[in-house]
Amino acid sequence: EIVLTQSPGTQSLSPGERATLSCRASQSVSNTYLAWYQQKPGQAPRLLIYGASRRATGIPDRFSGSGSGTDFTLSISRLEPEDFAVYYCQHYGSSMWTFGQGTKVEIK
Amino acid sequence: QPQLQESGSGQVKPSQTLSLSCNVSGYSITSGGYAWSWIRQPPGQGLEWIGCIYHIGGADYNPSLKSRVSISMDRSKNQFSLRLSSVTAADTAVYYCARGYSLDLWGQGTLVTVSS
Repeated sequence: EIVLTQSPGTQSLSPGERATLSCRASQSVSNTYLAWYQQKPGQAPRLLIYGASRRATGIPDRFSGSGSGTDFTLSISRLEPEDFAVYYCQHYGSSMWTFGQGTKVEIK
Repeated sequence: QPQLQESGSGQVKPSQTLSLSCNVSGYSITSGGYAWSWIRQPPGQGLEWIGCIYHIGGADYNPSLKSRVSISMDRSKNQFSLRLSSVTAADTAVYYCARGYSLDLWGQGTLVTVSS
């Protein structure tokens, strides 16, 4: 069973700064099924990135995904006030969906 | 515009069975090759995948819940359903239904509380 470990647990940043979130898999995974989600309080998660680097429909280009194998990154180039939220990585493989534990991006 | 909407009992007694349905509108659950999943989130915690049903009707489950979970599909109603048996307080969570291998469409979620 693949385990996804996200770091840091919390990132404190100011609007306009760059955020870099990490997701590490316990074994090499396919890029095809690596995704990132944003979740705000009281809301369902929203798909940001799929296939490790493809932006979902309507997602601003300040969000980007990269990585391969066991190490993946979500970057937010310039934080907007609405970007402060919790972010999850997720992988599908072997008939199972797995989530990381989440990274909270909070206002510094 | 495709939408998902969860419905079902918001409170379940310990040892009983939790039952939820996900109504899909704007898209046929039997077309397109999608998987249709249930995911839960205990208060203040992260996301846990419970299981899914495929557009052709087979299902897969999280091994940690497999002995207690059943997911079914009602093609005539364009909905899929979750049953989780022998619930305890640890099953208290917001339950979401979602579409796809990359989960591109989510319901708003429904809180289920397990309490006597």
